[in-house]
Amino acid sequence: ETGVTQTPRHLVMGMTNKKSLKCEQHLGHNAMYWYKQSAKKPLELMFVYNFKEQTENNSVPSRFSPECPNSSHLFLHLHTLQPEDSALYLCASSPERGDTGELFFGEGSRLTVL
Amino acid sequence: GNSVTQMEGPVTLSEEAFLTINCTYTATGYPSLFWYVQYPGEGLQLLLKATKADDKGSNKGFEATYRKETTSFHLEKGSVQVSDSAVYFCALSDRTNAGKSTFGDGTTLTVKP
Repeated sequence: ETGVTQTPRHLVMGMTNKKSLKCEQHLGHNAMYWYKQSAKKPLELMFVYNFKEQTENNSVPSRFSPECPNSSHLFLHLHTLQPEDSALYLCASSPERGDTGELFFGEGSRLTVL
Repeated sequence: GNSVTQMEGPVTLSEEAFLTINCTYTATGYPSLFWYVQYPGEGLQLLLKATKADDKGSNKGFEATYRKETTSFHLEKGSVQVSDSAVYFCALSDRTNAGKSTFGDGTTLTVKP
C-alpha cells in the first residue's frame, strides 16, 4: 500500500467512448502526476499538477484531459481514444514539485482501446 | 538535458546468483538518484535512493552507491530470489530542473529456481 489509489484497475473502451481514470492520494502531498507506460517504450510523463495548478503538459493530445480539483485527487478524462493509447496509466504524487524526493506511484490503470 | 542509461535486459539469473544492473546518468545539477522496482501487475515503488555523492542506498538486500566521478548508480544484490523477479528502473531527480524525474528504460529481471 503506497498511499496512492487508482481506479479502475482495468478499463476496456471503444474509440467513441468517454471514460475517466481516478487517482487519490492519502499522503498529504501537493504534487500529482500522470505517466503513461507502454510496452517496450520508456515511461512517459504526461501531466504535472502542483498545488492544483497544472505546471506541465508534455504535448499530450487533447483527447486526454486532466483535472485536479484538489491536492488529493487527480482525474484523467478520456474521449475518442485510439488503439495506440492502450497502455498502463500510472498516477504518482510527491510532497511538492521541485523537491528531489521520490515519487509515490499507484498500481496503475490498465487501459485497452478497441 | 538530463538522461539515465541503464543496462538492457532481459536479465535471467538462477536463484542465489549475484546481481548487477548498471546505471549511468547525465545531469546538469546535483541530482538525487533512485532505483524503483515494478512487480508484475503493479505500479513502481521505491527500492532505494541516494541524495549525494558517495551515499549508499540499501533495502531488501539491494545496494547502490552514488558515484559522482563515474556518474553511476549500479544496483547490486548478493543473492537473488525468485521473488526479486521484476522490472527495475534507475531514475534521477534534479532540483535545478524543477525536481523533474528522469527514468531509465527499465531492466527486466527473471530469477529461476
